[in-house]
Amino acid sequence: QVQLVQSGAEVKKPGASVKVSCKASGYTFTGYSIHWVRQAPGQGLEWMGWINPNSGGTNYAEKFQGRVTMTGDTSIKTAYMELSRLTSDDTAIYYCARVHSPDSSSCLHWGQGTLVTVSS
Amino acid sequence: DIQMTQSPSSLSASVGDRVTITCRASQSITSYLHWYQQTPGKAPKLLIYAASNLPSGVPSRFSGSGSGTDFTLTISSLQPEDFVSYYCQQTYRTPPTFGQGTKVEVK
Repeated sequence: QVQLVQSGAEVKKPGASVKVSCKASGYTFTGYSIHWVRQAPGQGLEWMGWINPNSGGTNYAEKFQGRVTMTGDTSIKTAYMELSRLTSDDTAIYYCARVHSPDSSSCLHWGQGTLVTVSS
Repeated sequence: DIQMTQSPSSLSASVGDRVTITCRASQSITSYLHWYQQTPGKAPKLLIYAASNLPSGVPSRFSGSGSGTDFTLTISSLQPEDFVSYYCQQTYRTPPTFGQGTKVEVK
């Protein structure tokens, strides 16, 4: 079965960077885009961007341009999301999610989420 | 960016009730509208994709309709596990955007 397993919780200081991993199993990693979505405490869902693991192509939300980098390692079927210059506003749960089908834009499979806390 | 407006933000209902949640887009998104259900402390779950399609395993009491700018999510008979939050999302234009969410509470 399809599974996305994310790395554990992180605590970072303002100005630092964080890199969250998302290990995929149960399907052809290069066949489906991976999206990253975050959720601040008590808030709604915010789309950050996606990566095509096959081509390495990415598309980031304008809000995160220059601060976010999404990559993939096909040898270990793992996607990564790195966010730099962290502030307290970046405290959130970060989710990776796989699209429903290769030509779909809805996300059927989700990781368990990674809590990133930014605090001095 | 396309703005997605959900209504209501919260609602109170009872087990067995029929519930409808509305999502309105700031411009036409054809049928690129998806609904997610989120239980506290859990990742979102895809409930409806492309406005009216149910992924495998989603109970038939959930249904979606609409196209263009106006969409609805209907739960025909609320079950105890349905008292959680629901989000709509458009993927017609990048960036994909979510509605602010609707929390379904026990009356």
